[in-house]
Amino acid sequence: ETGVTQTPRHLVMGMTNKKSLKCEQHLGHNAMYWYKQSAKKPLELMFVYNFKEQTENNSVPSRFSPECPNSSHLFLHLHTLQPEDSALYLCASSQGWNSGNEQFFGPGTRLTVL
Amino acid sequence: DAKTTQPNSMESNEEEPVHLPCNHSTISGTDYIHWYRQLPSQGPEYVIHGLTSNVNNRMASLAIAEDRKSSTLILHRATLRDAAVYYCILRGEGNTPLVFGKGTRLSVIA
Repeated sequence: ETGVTQTPRHLVMGMTNKKSLKCEQHLGHNAMYWYKQSAKKPLELMFVYNFKEQTENNSVPSRFSPECPNSSHLFLHLHTLQPEDSALYLCASSQGWNSGNEQFFGPGTRLTVL
Repeated sequence: DAKTTQPNSMESNEEEPVHLPCNHSTISGTDYIHWYRQLPSQGPEYVIHGLTSNVNNRMASLAIAEDRKSSTLILHRATLRDAAVYYCILRGEGNTPLVFGKGTRLSVIA
């Protein structure tokens, strides 16, 4: 248990569906992150939120829409995804995002797009 | 971002020490050296990090070369639970992201 939970753990969706991934951290951190891990590719940072403000968006397509209503919760809204978006989506949090702070990762949501 | 080079895979016997190398010849003076690992079917977990001096914690030790162009993660006594992909990451000063490479897949043999 890392103190970062993600739901659902597995999700199968069609290309026309709309779904959301949820992340919650119980560590009192103020920075949260979404990463994508595709088969045979390294983890890729998607979004960073620091004190609920988005501070990083790594050229992610608009079919992925993040939301951070407070420092403990982070969502990733998905719509009209493509099969190549199938991957493990990981959430992480840290106490501020600077180079000295370790990140705590959740277990991930395994997404399959049909 | 400065790059790191790690072997694709390594093997160790259970209860023996493991030395995981990482080369980072283009490291800048303010880059921290971070190590994370990812166990099967889990998210990555922090292992250790350092700047210039060697570091020890309950999980591992980090030995940093004097010129900082390489470092070694040391697991003092490998267990089956240590089988994972180990990532060596350089992280600049300030608000900078973790950039993961391919890492080293460590197998531990009973």
